[in-house]
Amino acid sequence: EAQVTQNPRYLITVTGKKLTVTCSQNMNHEYMSWYRQDPGLGLRQIYYSMNVEVTDKGDVPEGYKVSRKEKRNFPLILESPSPNQTSLYFCASSTAGDYGYTFGSGTRLTVV
Amino acid sequence: GQSLEQPSEVTAVEGAIVQINCTYQTSGFYGLSWYQQHDGGAPTFLSYNALDGLEETGRFSSFLSRSDSYGYLLLQELQMKDSASYFCAVSNQAGTALIFGKGTTLSVSS
Repeated sequence: EAQVTQNPRYLITVTGKKLTVTCSQNMNHEYMSWYRQDPGLGLRQIYYSMNVEVTDKGDVPEGYKVSRKEKRNFPLILESPSPNQTSLYFCASSTAGDYGYTFGSGTRLTVV
Repeated sequence: GQSLEQPSEVTAVEGAIVQINCTYQTSGFYGLSWYQQHDGGAPTFLSYNALDGLEETGRFSSFLSRSDSYGYLLLQELQMKDSASYFCAVSNQAGTALIFGKGTTLSVSS
C-alpha cells in the first residue's frame, strides 16, 4: 500500500531533550515536506526537500533540523525542544512537487 | 508578504451545493491545490489548478482565475461525510514551497 509512515504517533517529552520524528514513504517520491498544524493557524511548512541531499527552509524552520540521506526517509529533528513546539506534525511526499501530496497520519508532540 | 484568505466556517444541508473561496497573495505562483482534512486526520489531496478554468472530479470541482488571484472549491450533492476542514494551498517557490490557508470548516447537517 502506497503510504507515508510517521513515528511516533504520540510523544510527550521534556524541554531540552533531543528527539527525532521519523518519516518514510514507499512511493519513490522526490519531494518531501514537514508541516506543523496549530489551532487557528492552519498548516505551516517547516522544511522541504526536492531530492536526496537537497533541503530548504519553509515558513517556520527555527528550532528544527532535517536530513535527506535516502530518498524514502526525511526525519525531523528537534535538538532542544521547547513548549512552543507542542503541535501536530505532518510529513508529506509528492512526485510532482507542487501538488498531489500524500500526508502521513501525524505526530502529536507535547513538550512540557 | 504571502497570504491566503478563505472563510473560517461554512454550513450547509445535505444535498446542497457549497462554494469555498480562496484568494491569495504570493511572491510567485505555480498552482492552487485543495485538501480535505477530517478531525484529527491526515489532509488528503482533492484537486489542483495550474491554469485558469474549472477542473471537475466527481462531486467536487475547483476553479482558478490567475488574473484575479482567486480560486474556489465547489462541492455538490453534499453528504454528511463531507463535514471536514478544507484548505487551499499555493505552490510558489520552484513549485515546492507549499503555503496553506488557515482552512474552512464545513458543517453539513441533515
